[in-house]
Amino acid sequence: GEDVEQSLFLSVREGDSSVINCTYTDSSSTYLYWYKQEPGAGLQLLTYIFSNMDMKQDQRLTVLLNKKDKHLSLRIADTQTGDSAIYFCAEVGGFTGGGNKLTFGTGTQLKVEL
Amino acid sequence: NAGVMQNPRHLVRRRGQEARLRCSPMKGHSHVYWYRQLPEEGLKFMVYLQKENIIDESGMPKERFSAEFPKEGPSILRIQQVVRGDSAAYFCASSPRSDYNEQFFGPGTRLTVL
Repeated sequence: GEDVEQSLFLSVREGDSSVINCTYTDSSSTYLYWYKQEPGAGLQLLTYIFSNMDMKQDQRLTVLLNKKDKHLSLRIADTQTGDSAIYFCAEVGGFTGGGNKLTFGTGTQLKVEL
Repeated sequence: NAGVMQNPRHLVRRRGQEARLRCSPMKGHSHVYWYRQLPEEGLKFMVYLQKENIIDESGMPKERFSAEFPKEGPSILRIQQVVRGDSAAYFCASSPRSDYNEQFFGPGTRLTVL
């Protein structure tokens, strides 16, 4: 079955880098995603990586994918107080009728301290 | 171009009442996913619909829950005879086609059952 795990909490100082980790189990996933959720809000897609890639960089965000270990990470450079939120990794688990059902991790709450 | 809209944003029901949650997908999107987020947890897939069809409802509880996406109008998630355990945030997401690799999330409906 599908299972996505994340550490629950991360605290960093403003200006430092944050690294949020995720492990997944479905090796057939074609895409892996990182979403951000601010308090009381919906989910905002931050970035995604295709399964045949090892790394993707997008401004302050760097995604690393280790398919052998089924490990995904999100690095946020120069973390700011506005980055404080819950971060979810998600994998695609398709189903027989088509569509892209997402399986989410438990979420990592990032707290940025001054 | 308006994003995914959900209403109401907050809904309070007493045990035994019915809850109706509405989701209007982005313009041009005919695929809708519903997810539930229990307190302190990640999002769990509930159901995937295309216009007038339920494609996958493998995440829906067998009783009291139903979903529809009519030819005209929003998608509706209906919960009959609500119980306290139904208290959660319910998110819908839409995409323009089944194999599109991004889902666009609405702001969610927060259901509280007293």
